[in-house]
Amino acid sequence: EVQLVESGGGLVQPGGSLRLSCAPSGFTFSSYWMTWVRQAPGKGLEWVANIKQDGGEKNYVDSVKGRFTISRDNAKNSLSLQMNSLRAEDTAVYYCAREGGRDTCNDYWGQGTLVTVSS
Amino acid sequence: QSVLTQPPSVSAAPGQKVTISCSGSSSNIGNNYVSWYQQLPGTAPKLLIFDNNKRPSGIPDRFSGSKSGTSATLGITGLQTGDEADYYCGTWDISLSAGVFGGGTKLTVL
Repeated sequence: EVQLVESGGGLVQPGGSLRLSCAPSGFTFSSYWMTWVRQAPGKGLEWVANIKQDGGEKNYVDSVKGRFTISRDNAKNSLSLQMNSLRAEDTAVYYCAREGGRDTCNDYWGQGTLVTVSS
Repeated sequence: QSVLTQPPSVSAAPGQKVTISCSGSSSNIGNNYVSWYQQLPGTAPKLLIFDNNKRPSGIPDRFSGSKSGTSATLGITGLQTGDEADYYCGTWDISLSAGVFGGGTKLTVL
C-alpha cells in the first residue's frame, strides 16, 4: 500500500525557517517524480515544487523561488522541503504527493502538515 | 487568480448529472494532459481522472473526463450526497515550468 507521511509543520515567525519531510512507503521511491502542493486555509490547491527521480531537475512556483528548496534522498527514502524567509502568505497545509502520471499528475497524496507563519 | 479557470460552485439533485469546466491556454491544457481531483471536507485530495479521461482503479465510471482544445470537463452522473466535495483540475504549464491547478469547484448535491 502506497503511503506518504508528512512531518515538520508548526508555528514559525515571519522570516523564519522550517523543514518539512515526507516519508514514502509501499513503492519504489527512486522511480517517481515527487511534488509538494499547499493549501492555504479555506483556499484552493497551489502547486509548490517538484523534483525528478534522481534529484537532477527541480521546478518551483514563482512565489517560492529563491526561498524554498526541494530535495530528496533516495537511499533514505525521504523527500524534504526547506522553507526559508517564510511569510504570512506561506501559511498552509503542505501535501507531499507522488507523480504517478503525466504532466505532474499526482496519484497518491499524504495527509498534509500545517505550517503557520505568524508573530 | 488561478491559471486554470473553474466555476466556483455547481449544484444538482441526487441522481442527476453535473459537469465542471476547466479553462486554460495553449501553454497548459492545450498541450498537456489534464488530471482531476476530489477533495472531501477535511481530507487530502484524491485523484479522479488522469490523462484527460482515464480513471484510476477504484474510481466508479460515474466519473468521466474530456478535453477539447484549451478546455477540459469533468462529468459526474448519478449524483450522490457523498459526492459533495471540492473538485480541482490540474496540469503542467510549459511557459511557467510549473504545475497549475484550477481554483476549485464546490459541488453541492441538493
